[in-house]
Amino acid sequence: KAGVTQTPRYLIKTRGQQVTLSCSPISGHRSVSWYQQTPGQGLQFLFEYFSETQRNKGNFPGRFSGRQFSNSRSEMNVSTLELGDSALYLCASSFTPAYQETQYFGPGTRLLVL
Amino acid sequence: TQLLEQSPQFLSIQEGENLTVYCNSSSVFSSLQWYRQEPGEGPVLLVTVVTGGEVKKLKRLTFQFGDARKDSSLHITAAQPGDTGLYLCAAYMEYGNKLVFGAGTILRVKS
Repeated sequence: KAGVTQTPRYLIKTRGQQVTLSCSPISGHRSVSWYQQTPGQGLQFLFEYFSETQRNKGNFPGRFSGRQFSNSRSEMNVSTLELGDSALYLCASSFTPAYQETQYFGPGTRLLVL
Repeated sequence: TQLLEQSPQFLSIQEGENLTVYCNSSSVFSSLQWYRQEPGEGPVLLVTVVTGGEVKKLKRLTFQFGDARKDSSLHITAAQPGDTGLYLCAAYMEYGNKLVFGAGTILRVKS
């Protein structure tokens, strides 16, 4: 069974640009959560989507947005990139909403903002 | 301020030694999870503890959940180089449904 896949794996952007990251969950999983991982702040929850609806949102500015498609694939978008957005962005999938459900993480997309 | 305080931040030990990693909070957890993350990979779930006082064993790893569900520990017996990685605790707070992570403990086991 294929795991969670994320594309691209690495990305370099400049300040002010926008970026879209993609996540394909494990087959059959309908919940996708996104996390940001930085050396300073650690792993922080961004948002969760289940059946194309955002269920939860973390404490991030509106520049961070996401969506989920009918096939459960998800994308997250960051507009007007800032240097501090440099991070490893992880997505995780689960069968049902993530609360107390086992989540399976992808390898992440490493974003560098110059 | 981290909701989950992990200690120590770094551990560098010799193969065969024992170690304990701690995860503490002033809040009550509804459940707590431990993950291990290796470079270039996402975190992998090791265990979920739900009941206060619960002890779970996974080969050489022993996980404890405090009676008051505010703290947890991970003990590794006879550490091996393959145990090297970043260990993260994570919890759904009692009245929340967002997963909160500790800052992590970087473990290096030297052969």
